[in-house]
Amino acid sequence: NAGVTQTPKFRILKIGQSMTLQCTQDMNHNYMYWYRQDPGMGLKLIYYSVGAGITDKGEVPNGYNVSRSTTEDFPLRLELAAPSQTSVYFCASVTRQRPGNTIYFGEGSWLTVV
Amino acid sequence: AQTVTQSQPEMSVQEAETVTLSCTYDTSESDYYLFWYKQPPSRQMILVIRQEAYKQQNATENRFSVNFQKAAKSFSLKISDSQLGDAAMYFCAYRSGETSGSRLTFGEGTQLTVNP
Repeated sequence: NAGVTQTPKFRILKIGQSMTLQCTQDMNHNYMYWYRQDPGMGLKLIYYSVGAGITDKGEVPNGYNVSRSTTEDFPLRLELAAPSQTSVYFCASVTRQRPGNTIYFGEGSWLTVV
Repeated sequence: AQTVTQSQPEMSVQEAETVTLSCTYDTSESDYYLFWYKQPPSRQMILVIRQEAYKQQNATENRFSVNFQKAAKSFSLKISDSQLGDAAMYFCAYRSGETSGSRLTFGEGTQLTVNP
């Protein structure tokens, strides 16, 4: 049981490049989330999903896209990277079943856009 | 959308003493969960304590306890007998219940310093 796995852990992108952050969970969780965390700040919700085929915008979705074709995977796509997207990205998942109060986090992906 | 407010960007405490971190939230929902997470410099998210809104009893985990005031929408964290290892950023989080979309929202965090 690996929990939530994020890849890559570190990445440097040039302005204008695109990339995908991968997130996989092996716990059959319905709910998955993507956050970004800027230095000294809290976690801002980018996108979330309540199940395969269903996604919704969070607080800061601009510049990102997601898909949820399977229960396990929730990739985050960055199109035309900008320096403002330099941040640490976290993926998280939660089960739908009660009590549903355990949040599993990935270890984070450090992204720098230069 | 729900909001979570941590009004103390920084707090400090002497080792072995007690400190309380504040958190308030805004919601119209009746079914939700509240959490406190600890984040050391490694950025790992470590669950400290959680509370289901339908439970009136305050949650406790060893030296950590909460004061959950549902009517006031307040969820403060008390750390007793503070230890050097408690120094970290602490985040309060709110999760909507399943019938309300299960959105998960974090506060801006409180940086806790523990002085020897």
